[in-house]
Formats: sequence, C-alpha cells, structure tokens
Amino acid sequence: QVQLVQSATEVKKPGSSVRVSCKASGGTFSTSTINWVRQAPGQGLEWMGRIIPMLNIADYAQNLQDRITLNADKSTSTAYMELRSLRPEDTAVYYCARRETALDLGLDSWGQGTLVTVSS
Amino acid sequence: DIVMAQSPLSLPVTPGEPAAISCRSSQSLLHSNGDNYVEWYLQKPGQSPQLLIYLASNRAAGVPDRFSGSGSGTDFTLKISRVEAEDVGVYYCMQALQTPRTFGQGTKVEI
Repeated sequence: QVQLVQSATEVKKPGSSVRVSCKASGGTFSTSTINWVRQAPGQGLEWMGRIIPMLNIADYAQNLQDRITLNADKSTSTAYMELRSLRPEDTAVYYCARRETALDLGLDSWGQGTLVTVSS
Repeated sequence: DIVMAQSPLSLPVTPGEPAAISCRSSQSLLHSNGDNYVEWYLQKPGQSPQLLIYLASNRAAGVPDRFSGSGSGTDFTLKISRVEAEDVGVYYCMQALQTPRTFGQGTKVEI
C-alpha cells in the first residue's frame, strides 16, 4: 500500500505563499491520483483539487482556482500543493490523499497532514 | 456542486449496540455503469481520515465487517452492527461522481 509523508508545519504571513509536499512510497505513484483536502480548526473536510501525475493534469475547486497550483515530480514520487495570497482563513491542516487512477476504490491512503497557520 | 447532507450530526452510542448514519446527496450519485459513487471516511481523534467504504457498499481493505454501507441514488447509510470503543470519531460521506468532490458535514460518534 502507498504511504504518503507530508512536509512539516508552516507559519506564514497574510499575502505570502506556501508549498506543501507529499512524498509517496511503497506503491506505484504513476498510477495514482493525488487529491488535496484541507480542514480548518474544528471544521469539516474541504476538497481542494487533484492531480494525475502520469498525465500532469490537475483540476481545482472553483473557490481556490485563482490561488492554487498542484504539480508532481514523477522522478521523486512527490506531489506539491502551492497556495498563494494566503489569508487567515486559509489556516488549516492540509492533507494529501491517494486514489488509484483507473479504479474507483476511494482515497485509500492519506498523508499525516500539514498544519499551515496564517497570521500576522 | 453536489451538496451532501449527513444526519445526525452527533450520535451518542453504546458499545455493543448498532448505529447508523444517513447521507443524502442533492443529485443522484448513480453512474451509468451501475455504481453509486459515494464513499465513507472515519477521522479518529487526532488522526487523518481513513477510508471505510467505497462505491456505496464495498468495504476497504482491513475494515471490520461490522461496518456496512448501503443505498442508491441520493440516499445512503453507513451502519455499524455493534459499536466498539475504537469506532469513536467523525464520520464523513463524500461523493466521488464529479468534481469538485464534496463531503458531508460530518457525524461525531461518541460513547
């Protein structure tokens, strides 16, 4: 089964950018679709977007489309999420989660989460 | 976007007793291939979410058989036949039919 390990906690100023990484091991990165989900403090889960590394195709939640970029490095089996023009309301735990691209078996592996705090 | 509505939002449970969570979608999640594209996740306290059920009724690998999913179209249910202490946490349904993926509000299960 694929394991996902994310980068460490980040503290950012409003207006800046953050980049969170998600490294996959123990499986086939090339057949995976990496989804990004965030969770504000005490709140539920919000889907942000997904990327198919093999095709380098991404799609995004409309409310984030102007500020988010997803990409992936197949050579290192690592996916990245960049969020720009950060606002205090972007404070959340950010998760990557993996789905087998050609099968509909759910998000079967999740990273440990990366806390991003946006504060002046 | 497809709206997912869960009920109840809070569910006190007793170990050994059954429990059920409902999830309703604003549009049918039935694909032309006959599958219903709804998934269930459990987020235990302090942990990342984990997959329980995919395609409405299929248990993910390693999920105990006391968990079961059912439903079709717009109405779905997650059932726990006999709750155990380790089942506490927040349960989410998610539609995987179209993007953006959308989650229910979550149901907090506590003993």
